[in-house]
Amino acid sequence: AQSVSQHNHHVILSEAASLELGCNYSYGGTVNLFWYVQYPGQHLQLLLKYFSGDPLVKGIKGFEAEFIKSKFSFNLRKPSVQWSDTAEYFCAVNAESGTYKYIFGTGTRLKVLA
Amino acid sequence: DAGVTQSPTHLIKTRGQQVTLRCSPKSGHDTVSWYQQALGQGPQFIFQYYEEEERQRGNFPDRFSGHQFPNYSSELNVNALLLGDSALYLCASSWRGGSYEQYFGPGTRLTVT
Repeated sequence: AQSVSQHNHHVILSEAASLELGCNYSYGGTVNLFWYVQYPGQHLQLLLKYFSGDPLVKGIKGFEAEFIKSKFSFNLRKPSVQWSDTAEYFCAVNAESGTYKYIFGTGTRLKVLA
Repeated sequence: DAGVTQSPTHLIKTRGQQVTLRCSPKSGHDTVSWYQQALGQGPQFIFQYYEEEERQRGNFPDRFSGHQFPNYSSELNVNALLLGDSALYLCASSWRGGSYEQYFGPGTRLTVT
């Protein structure tokens, strides 16, 4: 069965620290990849997406992610986090062509200390 | 331009009861998907509707059913509620003529006692 793994469940960083959140998926075919963020009390918002082309994608608020097909990974990065980045981050994979079925990871709760 | 809206915001039901949740997609979107997000978990796909028909279904029992109306809005119905149905129910909309990007609503928090 298709699955998405986010190995870091809780991450605590100080402001200005660099961030990398891991995401691995199990599916050998063509995939569309997403990172969503859920700020406290708010709904899921799309951070960035990968459909094809350049495996390094840039999203909003200074986030980027790199698709490494050989590793089935799509890790999220940010060079310098801010207190306002405190949120829960979800990786999602769309692996069924012609559908909108997303498989989500269990999420990573990030806390940034001011 | 209104985003995805859901109602109600919160709901408390008793085991065995039935519940209906509602979703209005983002303007211009014709496809609605429903997800269940249990506490501490990522959203899980329930089903997807377009052209007023269920097109794909996740691993959820028949107690979960839905409907899509001609204006693309949608309902999620859950019968014979169980304690384990307590969760945040998310609606996501998209446009089939576009990319595979979905926009999520704020969710309905269902508590079953």
